Amino acid sequence: AQKVTQTQTSISVVEKTTVTMDCVYETRDSSYFLFWYKQTASGEIVFLIRQDSYKKENATVGHYSLNFQKPKSSIGLIITATQIEDSAVYFCAMRGYSNNRIFFGDGTQLVVKP
Amino acid sequence: DAGVTQTPRHEVAEKGQTIILKCEPVSGHNDLFWYRQTKIQGLELLSYFRSKSLMEDGGAFKDRFKAEMLNSSFSTLKIQPTEPKDSAVYLCASSLQGAPNERLFFGHGTKLSVL
Repeated sequence: AQKVTQTQTSISVVEKTTVTMDCVYETRDSSYFLFWYKQTASGEIVFLIRQDSYKKENATVGHYSLNFQKPKSSIGLIITATQIEDSAVYFCAMRGYSNNRIFFGDGTQLVVKP
Repeated sequence: DAGVTQTPRHEVAEKGQTIILKCEPVSGHNDLFWYRQTKIQGLELLSYFRSKSLMEDGGAFKDRFKAEMLNSSFSTLKIQPTEPKDSAVYLCASSLQGAPNERLFFGHGTKLSVL
């Protein structure tokens, strides 16, 4: 089965701190892509960062980085120096080579407080 | 470059009506997805097209939901007949499969309310 699981429903942090959001996945594919997307209060969903399964180095974009632990089928999203505007719902997603369907987790609500 | 365009932004329908939602993907993209988003079910795949060919038609949605892609730059999602449980946000997304930076581009969605 192919599945993406985000166990954290909601996280609250104080701004300027670092937060980690968890995501685990299941796949039969030996090669796959992992993504994180952000949905703002307006409903807009935007791409944040991607990790290719064959790459050992963790992806980093701006203040977003990934903690890719392939043996554990885990792809955590790390946001450093959080800002109020990082408050949103974050979705983890996976796309395999054998099945082009994209699987999404249920999302984690992040609240960043002053 | 224009992103994914969805129209209308809001739709109110009476139970039993037929509604058609529209989507224009990013120019040049070859993959197009329709999703339904609700608080309870999250993001559910309705349909997936590759180069205008229907690759996946979400099983649970085959009955009253039909997506079509008449050309590479336009897709529709028809719901017939609508039911109150169809009230949700319908999202269209596109991507360029095989691109080095492949990822989904989402439209702003259509919020459907069925009375």
